[in-house]
Amino acid sequence: RKEVEQDPGPFNVPEGATVAFNCTYSNSASQSFFWYRQDCRKEPKLLMSVYSSGNEDGRFTAQLNRASQYISLLIRDSKLSDSATYLCVVNGHGGSQGNLIFGKGTKLSVKP
Amino acid sequence: DGGITQSPKYLFRKEGQNVTLSCEQNLNHDAMYWYRQDPGQGLRLIYYSQIVNDFQKGDIAEGYSVSREKKESFPLTVTSAQKNPTAFYLCASSVQGLLRYSNQPQHFGDGTRLSIL
Repeated sequence: RKEVEQDPGPFNVPEGATVAFNCTYSNSASQSFFWYRQDCRKEPKLLMSVYSSGNEDGRFTAQLNRASQYISLLIRDSKLSDSATYLCVVNGHGGSQGNLIFGKGTKLSVKP
Repeated sequence: DGGITQSPKYLFRKEGQNVTLSCEQNLNHDAMYWYRQDPGQGLRLIYYSQIVNDFQKGDIAEGYSVSREKKESFPLTVTSAQKNPTAFYLCASSVQGLLRYSNQPQHFGDGTRLSIL
């Protein structure tokens, strides 16, 4: 199982749609979880941290299921400006202890 | 404004040449990181530094070197030993360094694109 796995997409949705991204991780000891957004040819930007109880920031809701080692990001009322690649990020173990592991990202394209 | 500045934005390397990518932060963060991103791929950790005068190899350190003489600065040298250097290089920083079970989020500079001439 890959350390952090995401559906690469692309997800093509109309404006106003609700879209959900899923991510699975392999390290059951991971404690830190984040969603980043990366626009084409730009740097990743932190969208939100993911907390055990789930958390919401405006139109964005993140949830964590530790038993299934699964993280989700829900975007409601999609805007054209939401078009980007969404990266799931988890801390894991490795030669560099506890380093952040980045998923390859899920591409979202919101159409008018 | 506080942030992370990477320079140059674009860099070209000749055969056998070493090149140095600059990364400066004024966020007063202890930890700094270098990643490489190839098209369609996730970020891969090259080197990281949790504190001044200390740095550790990441997952793909071969062909790269770093220094951390000042808290604000973490330059990356791509040596001639790195045979496939063409990539998007991202520098990041965080309030504290890597912990086994918990991490602070990382904040990124806007990257340097390196190509071979």
